[in-house]
Amino acid sequence: EADIYQTPRYLVIGTGKKITLECSQTMGHDKMYWYQQDPGMELHLIHYSYGVNSTEKGDLSSESTVSRIRTEHFPLTLESARPSHTSQYLCASSERVTQYFGPGTRLLVL
Amino acid sequence: QQQVKQSPQSLIVQKGGISIINCAYENTAFDYFPWYQQFPGKGPALLIAIRPDVSEKKEGRFTISFNKSAKQFSLHIMDSQPGDSATYFCAASYSGGYQKVTFGTGTKLQVIP
Repeated sequence: EADIYQTPRYLVIGTGKKITLECSQTMGHDKMYWYQQDPGMELHLIHYSYGVNSTEKGDLSSESTVSRIRTEHFPLTLESARPSHTSQYLCASSERVTQYFGPGTRLLVL
Repeated sequence: QQQVKQSPQSLIVQKGGISIINCAYENTAFDYFPWYQQFPGKGPALLIAIRPDVSEKKEGRFTISFNKSAKQFSLHIMDSQPGDSATYFCAASYSGGYQKVTFGTGTKLQVIP
C-alpha cells in the first residue's frame, strides 16, 4: 500500500488568503505530481517534479506554485485564494509508471 | 489536447452484469495503459494495467482488452458488484523518459442491486 499523505483534508478559507497544501510520501519516489479535480471528474495535471529542486508546470494553467526541497515533500501554495480555486487537489508520486495518489485536499474558497 | 478519449461518461449496470468502459488514444508512442479506480473521497488507485505487446490481461473479475491497430483499449468488469461502484479512469503513458500520465475523462459506474 502506498504511503502518501495530504493535509489538510478539508479547508474552507476566505478570498485573498494565502494557503499551503501539504503532500508527503515515505516511499522515496523521485517523481511527484499535483492534480486538480472537481469531485469525480477529469484529472488535470497542474505541477510535477522529477526530483529535488526540479519543478514544472503541468497541462492546466494554475496560479499555484510548488517547491521540492526534500524528496519526500511537495507542497503547493496559493498566494491569494479566489473562489475559482475551489476544487479538490490530489498529490501523487511514482517510481516508474504507476502513480500512487494521496486522499486529496478539498478546498472551498468563500 | 485530449489524447485519451473515454466513454461512456456514466454507466449503470445491474448486479451480476458486465460493465464495459472504452478508451481510445492517439499517440502511438504510449506503451503503458493503466486503469485507475476512484471511490468518493479517495484518490485514484491502480486497478490493472497492460502493455501493448499483449491483447488481453485478466485479474480476477477485471479484464483489459487491447487493440493496438485500432488504438483502443477497454475495461471489462465481470459479475459487477455494488462495491465496484466508483469512477474509473483509463490512462496512457510512456514507460521511459519522464513518464507523465495522460488520463481519460473518467466513467462513473453505478452497480445497482
